[in-house]
Amino acid sequence: DAKTTQPNSMESNEEEPVHLPCNHSTISGTDYIHWYRQLPSQGPEYVIHGLTSNVNNRMASLAIAEDRKSSTLILHRATLRDAAVYYCILSILGNLIFGKGTKLSVKP
Amino acid sequence: DVKVTQSSRYLVKRTGEKVFLECVQDMDHENMFWYRQDPGLGLRLIYFSYDVKMKEKGDIPEGYSVSREKKERFSLILESASTNQTSMYLCASSLISGQGRSGYTFGSGTRLTVV
Repeated sequence: DAKTTQPNSMESNEEEPVHLPCNHSTISGTDYIHWYRQLPSQGPEYVIHGLTSNVNNRMASLAIAEDRKSSTLILHRATLRDAAVYYCILSILGNLIFGKGTKLSVKP
Repeated sequence: DVKVTQSSRYLVKRTGEKVFLECVQDMDHENMFWYRQDPGLGLRLIYFSYDVKMKEKGDIPEGYSVSREKKERFSLILESASTNQTSMYLCASSLISGQGRSGYTFGSGTRLTVV
């Protein structure tokens, strides 16, 4: 039970913004929301994480709904190197429980 | 940058062999984790450790054991390898325990084939 729901796949055009949605309706008050991505033949790579407030870093932005039941990972300008599987994960008791993720394709 | 290094990228072992997968991190992280990744099943947590000589079972610990004698090293042991343990094994570490307040750094993975 991954406790998060993501679309199986999404497509984007290069240099356009991408909004990757995630539903986590059973989130508890202390669960952090993590996002990771995995390129082919590599281990997952940390993207961003947050608790309640929106977060920004050099890779992406994380928008968290006010009720915390959903979140959105925003890639501001997709590049071909952003094509990967993106995982939205709740940190339950400090452990990451991975779901199936969203496979993002980026078209030139 | 934090580095998590897994000793082998590819391994082929025979059924019944005892297999050691080694993982070393270089940034003094308290927490270390072992996952396996299989097509259609995603990443599943096998074991984790929040401190030296401390270990906790994850979701699928059967057939595995772990050892953490030093803070920087976390070993996964397959006591008697079986073909259903053919998988990609991923090690990870993180700085702060409890509630996932810090991000995880993953190694590149070890692809184990048991024949």
